[in-house]
Amino acid sequence: SAVISQKPSRDICQRGTSLTIQCQVDSQVTMMFWYRQQPGQSLTLIATANQGSEATYESGFVIDKFPISRPNLTFSTLTVSNMSPEDSSIYLCSVEGAPPNYGYTFGSGTRLTVV
Amino acid sequence: EDQVTQSPEALRLQEGESSSLNCSYTVSGLRGLFWYRQDPGKGPEFLFTLYSAGEEKEKERLKATLTKKESFLHITAPKPEDSATYLCAVQARSGYSTLTFGKGTMLLVSP
Repeated sequence: SAVISQKPSRDICQRGTSLTIQCQVDSQVTMMFWYRQQPGQSLTLIATANQGSEATYESGFVIDKFPISRPNLTFSTLTVSNMSPEDSSIYLCSVEGAPPNYGYTFGSGTRLTVV
Repeated sequence: EDQVTQSPEALRLQEGESSSLNCSYTVSGLRGLFWYRQDPGKGPEFLFTLYSAGEEKEKERLKATLTKKESFLHITAPKPEDSATYLCAVQARSGYSTLTFGKGTMLLVSP
């Protein structure tokens, strides 16, 4: 299965600022997925990132708040813009696994605290 | 809308005390049901994929089973290192579908 390197692992940010999270995959993948995991809540998909096209955002998430880049088949970034305390969460990137299990692989996550 | 409900929210076991975690789901045609383990401060780690009712998969002390409405993760003779949050997710068959996760069951195994 793919190995994902995600950074930073954690950060404490001032409200109103932005943070960019990076994910590097050790193999080429068509789609990368960005999730948010709020305390006590399930993982929620933010968007799907395809190389060479704009990301597809889920309901409740917008590009101005969570711009995503996908410059090649092994790398993606998620920016959390104009942060507020409500953005404090764990952010995770993910890629689809290979047959026969198709188990999605996740990065180690970025724990963001906005103060 | 796809939904996943996991129970219990938290479970405390003594080492060696077997038990089961439940994942109830509703989905418009199941492509796959996934079980993950998540340790504090880490991303989810893939455990199993189940595709059809009656299917079972095992890994060490864990066995996952699937019916048309729910999945169980059976933990036999757990050890303290099995302590983690266990997540269940479903993927629908229609078109290209992403994963819908439950909130997880936090398992604590005491020595």
